[in-house]
Amino acid sequence: DQQVKQNSPSLSVQEGRISILNCDYTNSMFDYFLWYKKYPAEGPTFLISISSIKDKNEDGRFTVFLNKSAKHLSLHIVPSQPGDSAVYFCAANPAGNTPLVFGKGTRLSVIA
Amino acid sequence: ETGVTQSPTHLIKTRGQQVTLRCSSQSGHNTVSWYQQALGQGPQFIFQYYREEENGRGNFPPRFSGLQFPNYSSELNVNALELDDSALYLCASSLGATSYNEQFFGPGTRLTVL
Repeated sequence: DQQVKQNSPSLSVQEGRISILNCDYTNSMFDYFLWYKKYPAEGPTFLISISSIKDKNEDGRFTVFLNKSAKHLSLHIVPSQPGDSAVYFCAANPAGNTPLVFGKGTRLSVIA
Repeated sequence: ETGVTQSPTHLIKTRGQQVTLRCSSQSGHNTVSWYQQALGQGPQFIFQYYREEENGRGNFPPRFSGLQFPNYSSELNVNALELDDSALYLCASSLGATSYNEQFFGPGTRLTVL
């Protein structure tokens, strides 16, 4: 049973437009949510996070929105750049001292 | 500051063999977690080592075992390899056993079991 679901395996967006990556979760105990970006031949790198007490967190071009009632979060990238092309993983845990549960990832391609 | 490194980069083994993967933590980090990322899946937590002791384990059988050394480098050992063990194995280091949300990942070791 997948507790963190990324239902879109891939997404293609034109440079300069908005990229929206979605993530759904089933475990209502999840309290903290993170997005990681992964380039080929590199490990995942932390991008942005949000705790359940917030519904939005922004860092430069990246914004994460959390809808707890829908158990849904999304990552917005504006404007998208070719260097953003990577696999994006959504991850969650009930607390910082418990292992992360990852989704399967969404491959974002930003076309120049 | 040195990042997380892993060796080897790639490895090919046959079913039934044993394999050892290695990880060097980021400078100053005392905790290492190992993850398995199968093709088309997200990373799945195997276990964590903190101060040379296993400090949490995911849903993996005992043939997956680990070690952490006094310099905080770590090994992942897998015995009796199965075809389904083919995956990218990632290690992640952090400072403190409760720091899953501040982990730094290495580039991974790609294991192929034939």
